Amino acid sequence: AQTVTQSQPEMSVQEAETVTLSCTYDTSENNYYLFWYKQPPSRQMILVIRQEAYKQQNATENRFSVNFQKAAKSFSLKISDSQLGDTAMYFCAFMKLISGYALNFGKGTSLLVTP
Amino acid sequence: DVKVTQSSRYLVKRTGEKVFLECVQDMDHENMFWYRQDPGLGLRLIYFSYDVKMKEKGDIPEGYSVSREKKERFSLILESASTNQTSMYLCASSGIRDGGYTFGSGTRLTVV
Repeated sequence: AQTVTQSQPEMSVQEAETVTLSCTYDTSENNYYLFWYKQPPSRQMILVIRQEAYKQQNATENRFSVNFQKAAKSFSLKISDSQLGDTAMYFCAFMKLISGYALNFGKGTSLLVTP
Repeated sequence: DVKVTQSSRYLVKRTGEKVFLECVQDMDHENMFWYRQDPGLGLRLIYFSYDVKMKEKGDIPEGYSVSREKKERFSLILESASTNQTSMYLCASSGIRDGGYTFGSGTRLTVV
């Protein structure tokens, strides 16, 4: 199984500030997808952003953007203008492009946004 | 609104019981998955299925089995529940190559 590592179990940021969550992964594959998922206290997993490995351009979704460094196998998530509703667990995940398309998740980073 | 529905939000079962966790999706997705989520361990894949009657073991299949008799339904079975299977169980589905999962809202199972 591919290894996905999130080295920050917990982080805290003040409202309106910017925070970066780190993720590294280990794979011998050349084509794959990477994801960030958010899980608020409601427990519902929500897709934040997706990156295809063959694309050099970093994905962005409104206040969320990634820094994808394929050679370094690094995939960090930047949240700009943090809002209280961003408080959640954030999971980095890796997907090989084979039948089944199973996701391998990191252990998660708990993000707290404070007023 | 597309949905993945898990039959129970909370469940309490006794050690040794046979437990069925049901998951139904209405998106005609080919792929379905069962994960368990534990604090500090993230989500770990138990089993997945990429077609009716097809199943593949994930990273932690021991103590579990699955059934997919119809495309929309994927069941997780604990043959003889044990206390170390107390956990949050998440079901998800995805279409071929679209890369995005839709998750259910989870079942918190307690085995006593």
